[in-house]
Amino acid sequence: QVQLQESGPGLVEPSETLSLTCTVSGGSISNYYWTWIRQPPGKGLEFIGYIYNSGSSDFNPSLKSRVTISVDTSKNQFSLTLSSVTAADTAVYYCARGTYTRATDYWGQGTLVTVSS
Amino acid sequence: DIVMTQTPLSSPVTLGQPASISCRSSQSLVDSDGNTYLSWLHQRPGQPPRLLIYKISNRFSGVPDRFSGSGAGTDFTLKISRVEAEDVGVYYCMQATQFPTFGQGTKLDIK
Repeated sequence: QVQLQESGPGLVEPSETLSLTCTVSGGSISNYYWTWIRQPPGKGLEFIGYIYNSGSSDFNPSLKSRVTISVDTSKNQFSLTLSSVTAADTAVYYCARGTYTRATDYWGQGTLVTVSS
Repeated sequence: DIVMTQTPLSSPVTLGQPASISCRSSQSLVDSDGNTYLSWLHQRPGQPPRLLIYKISNRFSGVPDRFSGSGAGTDFTLKISRVEAEDVGVYYCMQATQFPTFGQGTKLDIK
């Protein structure tokens, strides 16, 4: 059974950089794409970006200038960095696996990141 | 961006009765490869979303057959043939023909 687990600080100060890692277990990181999605408290879902194990990636146009996603196949992990954060970036951040059907079939439990001083 | 619009935003239903959620996209979701990348997800309170349906009408592994998806082009529907208590929560459609975007969500609760 594929499992994903997000890890990283739960509190980030405004203007700083948010950094999260997703560890994939129970399956290979190859042959899929790996995504980050976020959900502000009480609101809907927003796709942040995705990366293939080859390294090619794409990002939400509204976040593109601040987002980096990387993958470490040797550790079965992929990571998200979001720079210059504001309170508007407070959200539950999910990592998820994407397949050739372009659906996200396995999700992490999510991690709440609060931007506050 | 492709905008996804769901209706209704809230749907009180009676246990054992059917339910239906609509999702409309601002442009056709038919990709140049001929596929339509429209999926449906369900999120229970405090839980991550889980995949129900992919490519319009294909049920994901373990999803009960009371869930079905249909549609084409810009108009899509998720149907639950007989609502059970575990079906409460928020349902999202998601397109991935272009950069992925979600509908705003439809909250299903029991009358």
